[in-house]
Amino acid sequence: AQSVTQPDIHITVSEGASLELRCNYSYGATPYLFWYVQSPGQGLQLLLKYFSGDTLVQGIKGFEAEFKRSQSSFNLRKPSVHWSDAAEYFCAVGPRGYQKVTFGTGTKLQVIP
Amino acid sequence: DGGITQSPKYLFRKEGQNVTLSCEQNLNHDAMYWYRQDPGQGLRLIYYSQIVNDFQKGDIAEGYSVSREKKESFPLTVTSAQKNPTAFYLCASSLTGGEGYEQYFGPGTRLTVT
Repeated sequence: AQSVTQPDIHITVSEGASLELRCNYSYGATPYLFWYVQSPGQGLQLLLKYFSGDTLVQGIKGFEAEFKRSQSSFNLRKPSVHWSDAAEYFCAVGPRGYQKVTFGTGTKLQVIP
Repeated sequence: DGGITQSPKYLFRKEGQNVTLSCEQNLNHDAMYWYRQDPGQGLRLIYYSQIVNDFQKGDIAEGYSVSREKKESFPLTVTSAQKNPTAFYLCASSLTGGEGYEQYFGPGTRLTVT
């Protein structure tokens, strides 16, 4: 069965600092990988996805993520965080050819001035 | 604009009552999903449907029921058998076929049962 681990429950960064959110997955083959963002009381918005090809994926709002097969990781990065990036971030994994995905427990990002 | 609507945004019910949460999409997606979100637990899949008149249980289906009579609609009923129904409920949809597609989410319904 597939699983996703987001080891950091809460992260605080200063505005303008770089950000890396960790995501590790467990799956027997190359999965589909996603990062979503959720503002309080709202639905989830897709930031980026990896299906195949280039392992460095660019997303919206200046985010990027890198798929590292050898480390079973799909970490999310942003070079300079803005106060509006404060939200909860979810990593998700899904098997190819199948719609069901598994979500991590989320990382809550706080941005301080 | 295409998207997913969930209504109402806030819902209050007394214990022992069934309640139905609405989910409608105009994205022409075949697949629809219901998730439950509790603090610190991420999203857990309740039910999903890949085609009209067909649906499958997810990881936490007990105490919930769904129907899929129309492509656009996937209502979720929280029954009195659900032991802890207070939560934030999210509906999503996606394309099917090919190797897979991302899910699009509605704004959610917060259900409080007292």
